[in-house]
Formats: sequence, structure tokens, C-alpha cells
Amino acid sequence: RKEVEQDPGPFNVPEGATVAFNCTYSNSASQSFFWYRQDCRKEPKLLMSVYSSGNEDGRFTAQLNRASQYISLLIRDSKLSDSATYLCVVPPGGSQGNLIFGKGTKLSVKP
Amino acid sequence: EPEVTQTPSHQVTQMGQEVILRCVPISNHLYFYWYRQILGQKVEFLVSFYNNEISEKSEIFDDQFSVERPDGSNFTLKIRSTKLEDSAMYFCASSEQGPAETQYFGPGTRLLVL
Repeated sequence: RKEVEQDPGPFNVPEGATVAFNCTYSNSASQSFFWYRQDCRKEPKLLMSVYSSGNEDGRFTAQLNRASQYISLLIRDSKLSDSATYLCVVPPGGSQGNLIFGKGTKLSVKP
Repeated sequence: EPEVTQTPSHQVTQMGQEVILRCVPISNHLYFYWYRQILGQKVEFLVSFYNNEISEKSEIFDDQFSVERPDGSNFTLKIRSTKLEDSAMYFCASSEQGPAETQYFGPGTRLLVL
């Protein structure tokens, strides 16, 4: 299994739609996970951290299933400004190691 | 809100030339990182730095690369003899705690090797 695997996308959705992205990871020792957002030719910016079974922040909900090594990101009532690439990022399992990035899922929200 | 800054934003160089990319991490952060992203590909880890030494590096970070913290604020990445395949966006990041904690990214330097 690849270290971090994401839906390839692109996802093209209308404004107001609900959209979900999936991510699977191979390092069972990882304890926390991140969703970053990356706009075209810009730096990744932290969207959400996931430390337990899930996290919710406004329209965004992240869920974690450790048994299946699976993370999801749900965006409700999508806005035009949500158009970006969403990166699933898995840290190392301990104090050593480095962030492993997925290839990202591109979202395009249309009016 | 404190942020990571990087200079220059763009760098064009000839193959074989040396380049130095500069970063100013967030002031109270202790861990610093360099990543690269080739156009259309995923973000790849290069190196992490803590307590004035490299703590981890990837296979990409070969002898052509080096990092330095020359003073209390700057963190640099040097590529000694650039190759065409070094063309990429280079991101600096920093974190307050170790690599498993939230890392904050700078805006990147776009390097083009001709």
C-alpha cells in the first residue's frame, strides 16, 4: 500500500453541495493527522488536525478510523472559495520521521 | 499572526550554479524543515533541522544540498550545483514541537534551473 493515498479527483461540484474526500495511510503508528489546503502555486495551509476519532470546524468535518487506517474530510455547503487542492498529511509515528503528503484531491466549486 | 517568510519568491539560475534559498521561521519555533514540490506532483520532504543540526533527511537531500542556521532568525537551503531536475517550488516550514505537530509553511521559492 502506498504511504498516503487519496481520491484522485478532480471533484467538480455546485455551490452548496456536500463533498467528501477519502485518504488511506499505511503507517499504523501515526497518532495525529492533518488536512491541508493548497491553492494553485501557493503553500499548503493547515485546514484541520485530527487527533482522535474526528474533528469538526464549521462546515468542515474530519473523521478518523484507525482500524481501517482511513481519514475523511467532509465539506458541507461548499463555497466558491473552497476550490483548492486538499492534501491528506500523515506525520511520523514517533518523534522521528517526517510528514508524508498525499498527492491531493482537487476540488472545483462552480456557481 | 506570526508567519514563515521566504526569499526570494522566484529564482532563475543556470545549470551548475549555486543557489541559496532563505527562510525566516516563526520566532518561537524550534523545528525547521525544507520541502520541495515539483510542478504537478506532491510535496516531498527534504530535511528537518533541530538544535542546530540535521535531525532527518530524505534520499533527495544528497551531497548537493546543505542547510544552515547562520544566525538566530534565518534558515537557509543551499544547492551547490543545480540540475535541471532541481526546478521546483521549495517550501520552508517550522513547528513549535517536533515533526508530528502542526507545521506552518512559508510561501515558497519557485526555482527554475535552465
